[in-house]
Amino acid sequence: DAGVIQSPRHEVTEMGQEVTLRCKPISGHDYLFWYRQTMMRGLELLIYFNNNVPIDDSGMPEDRFSAKMPNASFSTLKIQPSEPRDSAVYFCASSFVGSGETQYFGPGTRLLVL
Amino acid sequence: DQQVKQNSPSLSVQEGRISILNCDYTNSMFDYFLWYKKYPAEGPTFLISISSIKDKNEDGRFTVFLNKSAKHLSLHIVPSQPGDSAVYFCAASAYYGGSQGNLIFGKGTKLSVKP
Repeated sequence: DAGVIQSPRHEVTEMGQEVTLRCKPISGHDYLFWYRQTMMRGLELLIYFNNNVPIDDSGMPEDRFSAKMPNASFSTLKIQPSEPRDSAVYFCASSFVGSGETQYFGPGTRLLVL
Repeated sequence: DQQVKQNSPSLSVQEGRISILNCDYTNSMFDYFLWYKKYPAEGPTFLISISSIKDKNEDGRFTVFLNKSAKHLSLHIVPSQPGDSAVYFCAASAYYGGSQGNLIFGKGTKLSVKP
């Protein structure tokens, strides 16, 4: 069974450009999480969805960040406009009620904003 | 303020010996704890977990101990193998009335197991 799929794996862009990160959760999972990992702050939760509905977006750093989940098999995290301080690895994870608190992570998108 | 702390950024152990990774937390509402392992260029993968109603959980070479009074947990790997070399994240959650809670992660400890 396929795990969480993220694309692209690497993204290099210039400051001010729009960046869109994509995630396909594991089929049947009803929770989806977006995380950001940096050296300074470690792994921090940005937003999570339950049944496609955003539940907690308090971790989204500012209005430049937005996330959507139009259906159970797809989510996007958008940064517009991007800034150099957004450079990080962004992870998507999914889980389901019954998995306890175990979340299954994708391989991540490494973003570099020049 | 960090709610989950891993105070040792790195740990080096000889193959065959025990690795002990430590984690402290501050939020007394946390009732579920997990350890994740992460290799370079991959996402974290679930390793082992423990509920607050237990003080020990074992899975093969991996054992997690929970000391609620000290708000401390540890992961023991015995015997350590070179393939265990990775970054280990401690995570904690408060499970509110049947709803999935957020996972709060520590910053990780990089374990190096030397042959």
